[in-house]
Amino acid sequence: DAKTTQPTSMDCAEGRAANLPCNHSTISGNEYVYWYRQIHSQGPQYIIHGLKNNETNEMASLIITEDRKSSTLILPHATLRDTAVYYCIVSPQGGKLIFGQGTELSVKP
Amino acid sequence: GAVVSQHPSRVICKSGTSVKIECRSLDFQATTMFWYRQFPKQSLMLMATSNEGSKATYEQGVEKDKFLINHASLTLSTLTVTSAHPEDSSFYICSATRGQGTEAFFGQGTRLTVV
Repeated sequence: DAKTTQPTSMDCAEGRAANLPCNHSTISGNEYVYWYRQIHSQGPQYIIHGLKNNETNEMASLIITEDRKSSTLILPHATLRDTAVYYCIVSPQGGKLIFGQGTELSVKP
Repeated sequence: GAVVSQHPSRVICKSGTSVKIECRSLDFQATTMFWYRQFPKQSLMLMATSNEGSKATYEQGVEKDKFLINHASLTLSTLTVTSAHPEDSSFYICSATRGQGTEAFFGQGTRLTVV
């Protein structure tokens, strides 16, 4: 079973920041937090991952709470092309991923 | 990011026949590849872990004799759906990693329809 809890769906206005929360209260010390997204009928796309520290790349920022029990993925300026299902996954190794139901993000004009 | 390619992207086959799906890592050597399937409006379900040169490890409930996995090289893994039936119709997706602790990159998926 997936070890994360995410809202089923969220809306975001185009151009605004999208903040996607994820709870992982049972995360182990050696587990990373990974974020992927899946646009309809495509394979998942890697976004970002982190262990303890906040991370930022060209796609997004990842904020992990100090106790590591939750995190937030931030898309700073959402576009219509960011409409997708976003998956938050905890894993010790990055390869074997157990997907939950994810958050369906709809970016609206 | 790294590139993982699947072939074919779509396939239709007759019930009772076998179908082979290829997963290639194009610009890196993948020590481990993973196979998932996804039914409509559902999340991805891990089927098996494929390590180069060794037998695949299947998740509970996945029939190893029905879903044959071969990982003969560091850049290629294949999934063969044997004696396919309509209930095997699904979206099959592979992923690959460079090594332990690194992120996985996914192929574009293969839509299998069994008629």
